[in-house]
Amino acid sequence: DQQVKQNSPSLSVQEGRISILNCDYTNSMFDYFLWYKKYPAEGPTFLISISSIKDKNEDGRFTVFLNKSAKHLSLHIVPSQPGDSAVYFCAASVGYGGSQGNLIFGKGTKLSVKP
Amino acid sequence: DAEITQSPRHKITETGRQVTLACHQTWNHNNMFWYRQDLGHGLRLIHYSYGVQDTNKGEVSDGYSVSRSNTEDLPLTLESAASSQTSVYFCASSLDRGSPINEQFFGPGTRLTVL
Repeated sequence: DQQVKQNSPSLSVQEGRISILNCDYTNSMFDYFLWYKKYPAEGPTFLISISSIKDKNEDGRFTVFLNKSAKHLSLHIVPSQPGDSAVYFCAASVGYGGSQGNLIFGKGTKLSVKP
Repeated sequence: DAEITQSPRHKITETGRQVTLACHQTWNHNNMFWYRQDLGHGLRLIHYSYGVQDTNKGEVSDGYSVSRSNTEDLPLTLESAASSQTSVYFCASSLDRGSPINEQFFGPGTRLTVL
């Protein structure tokens, strides 16, 4: 049973517009969430994270929103750039502070930003 | 600079052969992980280790084994390769359990083809 779900396999956005990538989770014990970006033929790289004590975390063009009651998080990219075209993975862990160390990943959303 | 490397980057083998994929990190991280990435499945955890002499099974561990004899290395062995194990394999590492940071750092991946 999938604990972290990314229901949109792909998303296409025009350059300069906002990209919104969504992620849902089922395990209420998750309390730390991360987004990774992956380019073809490379390993995933960490993008941004949020702990369950917050509802928003911002880093430059990237903002992650967490709605605990809905068990939903989203990644906003504003403005979107062609270099943002990649696969984005949502991940979650039990125990803020890495007490378990393990991450559960979603299946990923492929973002295409068109010039 | 600290890094995480994987070798080989590409491997073609035959069904039934034993294959070992190497992972080496110079971050001095205690936690190390092996994932496989397949279309439609995202990143799935194969095995993980929280330190020397510690190994644990992940979600898809059947047919794989790992050993941790030092901090830097976590080789992944396919005892008898099967076509279903054709995949891209990623190694990752992170700081200790209990650390305020549980971001995982990924290697570049190994593309394995089993014929």
